[in-house]
Amino acid sequence: AQSVSQHNHHVILSEAASLELGCNYSYGGTVNLFWYVQYPGQHLQLLLKYFSGDPLVKGIKGFEAEFIKSKFSFNLRKPSVQWSDTAEYFCAVNARNAGNMLTFGGGTRLMVKP
Amino acid sequence: DTGVSQNPRHKITKRGQNVTFRCDPISEHNRLYWYRQTLGQGPEFLTYFQNEAQLEKSRLLSDRFSAERPKGSFSTLEIQRTEQGDSAMYLCASITGTGGQGPNNEQFFGPGTRLTVL
Repeated sequence: AQSVSQHNHHVILSEAASLELGCNYSYGGTVNLFWYVQYPGQHLQLLLKYFSGDPLVKGIKGFEAEFIKSKFSFNLRKPSVQWSDTAEYFCAVNARNAGNMLTFGGGTRLMVKP
Repeated sequence: DTGVSQNPRHKITKRGQNVTFRCDPISEHNRLYWYRQTLGQGPEFLTYFQNEAQLEKSRLLSDRFSAERPKGSFSTLEIQRTEQGDSAMYLCASITGTGGQGPNNEQFFGPGTRLTVL
């Protein structure tokens, strides 16, 4: 079975600061990787995803993530955060060809101070 | 709105009562997933359907939980004899195709049903 860990539960940044949220997964096979975001009062939305190919993927709103297979990591980055990025961020994986059920990390709550 | 919808959005019930939630997926999506999210945690997989067939159930899904998708469109999740530990947000997601890798492997989530068991 897969497992996902997100190292930071709460992050507070000032606007224009750079962001990196850690995500590590545990699984012996091939996985697909995702970052979802949940803005206050809204439902989960996909930020970006990795299936194969270039390990650096770009998503919406200036976010990107890098898949490092040797480290089982898929960290999320943004060079300069905005107040509107205040949200909870979830890393998730699913095993290929195994029903596509997502396994989520515990989430990181990001607060950006104006 | 052509996204995933869930009803009700909030449900407060007394311990021991039965509750039922409904999920309407995006119309062309043939896979439907249920997840549960408790406070401070990420969502946890409960069960999923491909069309009307329930293909997998998590160990989290006790005998008090049952899910159906009778015509391969909307789905219902019923909890019998609710317990306080059932209090959570119940999320539904849908996906097109049969999964695997590739651009069809993106789950679209509904707003959730927040259950409070008193």
